[in-house]
Amino acid sequence: EVHLVESGGNWVQRGGSLRLSCGASGFTFNTYAMAWVRQAPGKGLKWVAGISASGGTTYYAVSLKGRFIISRDNSKNTLYLQMNSLRAEDTAVYYCAKGYQDSLIDAFDAWGQGTMVTVSS
Amino acid sequence: DIQMTQSPSSLSASVGDRVTITCRASQAISTALNWYQQKPGKAPKLLIYVTSRLQSGVPSRFSGSGSGTDFTLTISSLQPEDFATYYCQQTYTMPPDSFGPGTRVEIK
Repeated sequence: EVHLVESGGNWVQRGGSLRLSCGASGFTFNTYAMAWVRQAPGKGLKWVAGISASGGTTYYAVSLKGRFIISRDNSKNTLYLQMNSLRAEDTAVYYCAKGYQDSLIDAFDAWGQGTMVTVSS
Repeated sequence: DIQMTQSPSSLSASVGDRVTITCRASQAISTALNWYQQKPGKAPKLLIYVTSRLQSGVPSRFSGSGSGTDFTLTISSLQPEDFATYYCQQTYTMPPDSFGPGTRVEIK
């Protein structure tokens, strides 16, 4: 069974940094693209960033303007999201999501339970 | 960027009702459209991918159709566990950051 567990969410002051992690199990991690999707309180889903199976290709939501970095360690079956220069509008639940295959543009067939990031202004 | 809209934004229905949710893309996306279900406090769950393919384990009362710019998700006979919010997502162009705004299905 596929299992994704996010961690690292916390309360942080505006302008601060945070690194989220997502531990994966139950599938061959290094053969699937992965992504981060966030959801602000009471709002809809917003794709944040995606990374290919090898980690060689990454893509970001244009609105992030270079503040976030997605990475993965296939030896540890772990996905990361480094978030810098955090703003109040980054407050959200952050979900780790597994791509249906090794494509950055695909459905997400498994999701973690989410980790909450709160940015105080 | 491709913009996605959904209608209605919310609906009230009874158990056993047939429910249809519409998703529209601002430009043609072929059949690159997925549907997710999200219950309060839970992660989204993939229901349908590539417009009409049912994800493993999803009940057959869920179906999807459409192509180009107009798509529908149909629940043939609404069950108590189907009350949730439903999102469409386009995966035609990069970045795939186009989720629809969601349709909330509530108990009548």
